[in-house]
Amino acid sequence: RKEVEQDPGPFNVPEGATVAFNCTYSNSASQSFFWYRQDCRKEPKLLMSVYSSGNEDGRFTAQLNRASQYISLLIRDSKLSDSATYLCVVNNNDMRFGAGTRLTVKP
Amino acid sequence: SAVISQKPSRDICQRGTSLTIQCQVDSQVTMMFWYRQQPGQSLTLIATANQGSEATYESGFVIDKFPISRPNLTFSTLTVSNMSPEDSSIYLCSARRDRADEQYFGPGTRLTVT
Repeated sequence: RKEVEQDPGPFNVPEGATVAFNCTYSNSASQSFFWYRQDCRKEPKLLMSVYSSGNEDGRFTAQLNRASQYISLLIRDSKLSDSATYLCVVNNNDMRFGAGTRLTVKP
Repeated sequence: SAVISQKPSRDICQRGTSLTIQCQVDSQVTMMFWYRQQPGQSLTLIATANQGSEATYESGFVIDKFPISRPNLTFSTLTVSNMSPEDSSIYLCSARRDRADEQYFGPGTRLTVT
């Protein structure tokens, strides 16, 4: 079993749609959790951290369920500029990356 | 935040040769890492670069093939030795100030081995 598993994607959605990504992790001792965004031919950049209480940043909402070892990212009112690959990242002293889920938002 | 630069940004190399990639961070960081990303794939951790001691390698990566240096808290190098076409990939340097910090990435080095 992979340490971090994500929805395989790709997700192709129209502008304005709501899209949700899921991620599971295998190490119950994992300490912190993140969503990163990677644009084509660019390096990954932090989108948001994920907290047990859930957190929201504008149109983006991240949730963590430690009991189920499950992380989610919800994007509301999708924009064309949201098109990218979204990486679920789990910190076990070093960062472990999921394979990523590609999102394409179409006009 | 931390700004990371890498040199070279890309290179085309012949098989059997070696390439050293340099990574410079604009501030002192506790942790530095090297990742590899194959086209269309996610990031694979090669090793953690330890300041003043030998790097810690992940399963499947060895020092003879990927020697790493980290002489201080802002600089590291990764050498890809005796290259083969299978080594063609993007190599990314990454850094964190401490365990709880965000992890920052350099722009990557795109390596093609012919």
